[in-house]
Amino acid sequence: AQTVTQSQPEMSVQEAETVTLSCTYDTSENNYYLFWYKQPPSRQMILVIRQEAYKQQNATENRFSVNFQKAAKSFSLKISDSQLGDTAMYFCAFTPYSGGGADGLTFGKGTHLIIQP
Amino acid sequence: AAGVIQSPRHLIKEKRETATLKCYPIPRHDTVYWYQQGPGQDPQFLISFYEKMQSDKGSIPDRFSAQQFSDYHSELNMSSLELGDSALYFCASSPFVPTSLAGGKANTGELFFGEGSRLTVL
Repeated sequence: AQTVTQSQPEMSVQEAETVTLSCTYDTSENNYYLFWYKQPPSRQMILVIRQEAYKQQNATENRFSVNFQKAAKSFSLKISDSQLGDTAMYFCAFTPYSGGGADGLTFGKGTHLIIQP
Repeated sequence: AAGVIQSPRHLIKEKRETATLKCYPIPRHDTVYWYQQGPGQDPQFLISFYEKMQSDKGSIPDRFSAQQFSDYHSELNMSSLELGDSALYFCASSPFVPTSLAGGKANTGELFFGEGSRLTVL
């Protein structure tokens, strides 16, 4: 079984600052995917960024980037130039590589990020 | 672009009643997932389907059942509702893509979520 741990229940930063959200996971799988999902007050689950475990290069999407440390089983999210619209719950999630099935995502407990004006 | 459609968006039921939630995945997505998110909680995986067959099962109560139909839409049936079933229920879909690995297709792992169905049990 996989576990995902987010040790920061809540974080608050000023607009335009950079913030890093932490995530660690535990698995015996060698091939898997990691994700960060954002859930704003509307409760819609929005994919922020995706990382494939076999890729050593860290994924980036505009202001969002990850620091993926496979050996340490760490997957942190960095948000640069934070904006008021970034205020949301952020969930780290894991799923094993599934060649022929549909394994569900395992989510962490989430980090509530607040961007202050 | 088409998204995952869930209905109804809001549902109010009494204890011991039955409820059915529907999910229409993104066209050409092979897999459907159901999640339950209680207040202040992370989403909990309930069940998934691939090509109309049950693929994986999570913390789905025995009172709940689900299926995926020939047109790939899915329904989550919940019976003998309890107060603790009040939650936001998400459906998500995911595509399989061609791969050089054995089997020829693989799940990308990326889930596209619907807006959720909020169930309130009184």
